[in-house]
Amino acid sequence: ETGVTQTPRHLVMGMTNKKSLKCEQHLGHNAMYWYKQSAKKPLELMFVYSLEERVENNSVPSRFSPECPNSSHLFLHLHTLQPEDSALYLCASSQDPDRSNTEAFFGQGTRLTVV
Amino acid sequence: SQQGEEDPQALSIQEGENATMNCSYKTSINNLQWYRQNSGRGLVHLILIRSNEREKHSGRLRVTLDTSKKSSSLLITASRAADTASYFCATADLDYGGATNKLIFGTGTLLAVQP
Repeated sequence: ETGVTQTPRHLVMGMTNKKSLKCEQHLGHNAMYWYKQSAKKPLELMFVYSLEERVENNSVPSRFSPECPNSSHLFLHLHTLQPEDSALYLCASSQDPDRSNTEAFFGQGTRLTVV
Repeated sequence: SQQGEEDPQALSIQEGENATMNCSYKTSINNLQWYRQNSGRGLVHLILIRSNEREKHSGRLRVTLDTSKKSSSLLITASRAADTASYFCATADLDYGGATNKLIFGTGTLLAVQP
């Protein structure tokens, strides 16, 4: 148990559906991240939030929409996804993105399949 | 963007042997971290080495860092079947403005330890 909880663990959705991934951290961290992990590819950083403000968006398609209502919760809203968006989506948190030398704590991930 | 590249991509050894994995990166870094991932699950932080450190130990793990060559190695001594997992290096990029703890991951080394 890393202190970062993601739900659901598995999700199958059609291309016209709208769904949301949820992440919650109980570590008192100020920064939260969404990563995408596809087969045989490096982890891709999608979004970074620091103190509930988005500080980084790595040119992610608009069909992915993040939301960070407070420092403990992070959502990823999904709509009109494509089959190539099927992947493991990982949430992570760290103490403070402006402090160096701190580790990231990851959730168990949501395995997303788009059909 | 991809930063670290691990080598080899896959490694199979017998229990009790040592496993060595290498990581190369491209830019100036604040620190380099190693993570472990069991199949389809989240990443777990193993060890962090700062840019001004050359070697660090943690239990059966030994990490080296050569900033002149932009490379790092992870050594697992006396391996066990339970060490079977994917291992990733991640760099906290110095050149990246703002979120200095933004981690960029490599493609990973898949380690299989045969009992």
